[in-house]
Amino acid sequence: QVQLQESGPGLVKPAETLSLTCTVSGGSIRSYYWTWIRQPPGKGLEWIGFIYDSGNTNYNPSLRNRVTMSVDTSDNELSLNLRSVTAADTAVYYCARADQPSYSYYYMDVWGEGTTVTVSS
Amino acid sequence: DIQMTQSPSAMSASVGDRVTITCRASQDIKNFLVWFQQKPGKVPRRLIYASSSLQSGVPSRFSGSGSGTEFTLTISNLQPDDFATYYCLQHDSYPHTFGQGTKLEI
Repeated sequence: QVQLQESGPGLVKPAETLSLTCTVSGGSIRSYYWTWIRQPPGKGLEWIGFIYDSGNTNYNPSLRNRVTMSVDTSDNELSLNLRSVTAADTAVYYCARADQPSYSYYYMDVWGEGTTVTVSS
Repeated sequence: DIQMTQSPSAMSASVGDRVTITCRASQDIKNFLVWFQQKPGKVPRRLIYASSSLQSGVPSRFSGSGSGTEFTLTISNLQPDDFATYYCLQHDSYPHTFGQGTKLEI
């Protein structure tokens, strides 16, 4: 079955770019939609956005000007870039399988284990 | 953005109890509502999708209902393993939004 694993630097300096990768195994990355979610320490969950096959994305307006998602079909990997980070971007970042609009079956049924990112100088 | 409001924010219950958590949407989201369970330091786990469909492998004591703007998650015969934080999420409109969470304590 599909499994996800996030990776990336655990520490990012303020004003720099946070770059994370989510490796997809057990299925083709082109078969599904994908989403990123984050959770600041001690707080709730926030939807960052979704991506399908690189050209089809939708980002949370709260992050829209700073976030970019992409898909590498050759390596079966998703990428998340978040520019100009501040301490408020400190969180656990998760990737998850999503579903096409108006469908629910696969929507966030599989999650990666998450990767903790701290923004600090 | 659609606001998702969960109630209560926290509650205490006992093993064997039946509990209900409510999630209200600020506008009609049809049945595009998901419930998650999260334990401290763990990954959220999908319990219910499409408002009332039980995720494979989730015990049948979990059930979901509702459509439009009001939804409920019911846990019957609470077990020790059920004490956790529960989140709802709507995926009818962008941006998809989570409720603030309900912490269920012993």
